[in-house]
Amino acid sequence: DTEVTQTPKHLVMGMTNKKSLKCEQHMGHRAMYWYKQKAKKPPELMFVYSYEKLSINESVPSRFSPECPNSSLLNLHLHALQPEDSALYLCASSQGDKKNDEQFFGPGTRLTVL
Amino acid sequence: GDSVTQMEGPVTLSEEAFLTINCTYTATGYPSLFWYVQYPGEGLQLLLKATKADDKGSNKGFEATYRKETTSFHLEKGSVQVSDSAVYFCALKSPAWRALTFGSGTRLQVQP
Repeated sequence: DTEVTQTPKHLVMGMTNKKSLKCEQHMGHRAMYWYKQKAKKPPELMFVYSYEKLSINESVPSRFSPECPNSSLLNLHLHALQPEDSALYLCASSQGDKKNDEQFFGPGTRLTVL
Repeated sequence: GDSVTQMEGPVTLSEEAFLTINCTYTATGYPSLFWYVQYPGEGLQLLLKATKADDKGSNKGFEATYRKETTSFHLEKGSVQVSDSAVYFCALKSPAWRALTFGSGTRLQVQP
């Protein structure tokens, strides 16, 4: 299985809602990532988990809260988002975090904040 | 810091034309280099990679060679198809940083 899955595919939420994005991989990868991609832009790194520990937080606002319950799962908890947070949220995983380790991306969750 | 520069798009070609998308980089140390492709409404797929100087990555008719002397990793394909229409991202991963650094992306449109 060389697939990274993400749910839901689409999400519409209000600014007062709490929701979660989920990501799963069964490739035995030990590094997992969250990226945010705005239209016609490249992905921007948000968080990196390495061996289930948060190793990078790219100054992301606290209304985004990542969680790595185990080596196969990665969640992104959302609370009190703003309309400008509307974007495609991509999850990725890699064997490790070394430079030769290629990242496999999921299909993304398209988030709309009203 | 690390950075990747790609040619501006969109690139519009006729089917069976030759494709080149330029990519140059600045990085600390000796990075690995990647090309990713993103089809409309989808996530990113790894197209090819090269991990050291003079390596050539290839996949599905696409090729790119890691040129350390010119800090470049240009993507080429001899004959494009309509199905190649997508956005192509050049990216690097350096020893000092745990995630990918992406270029701005180049949109390719192939007309029948």
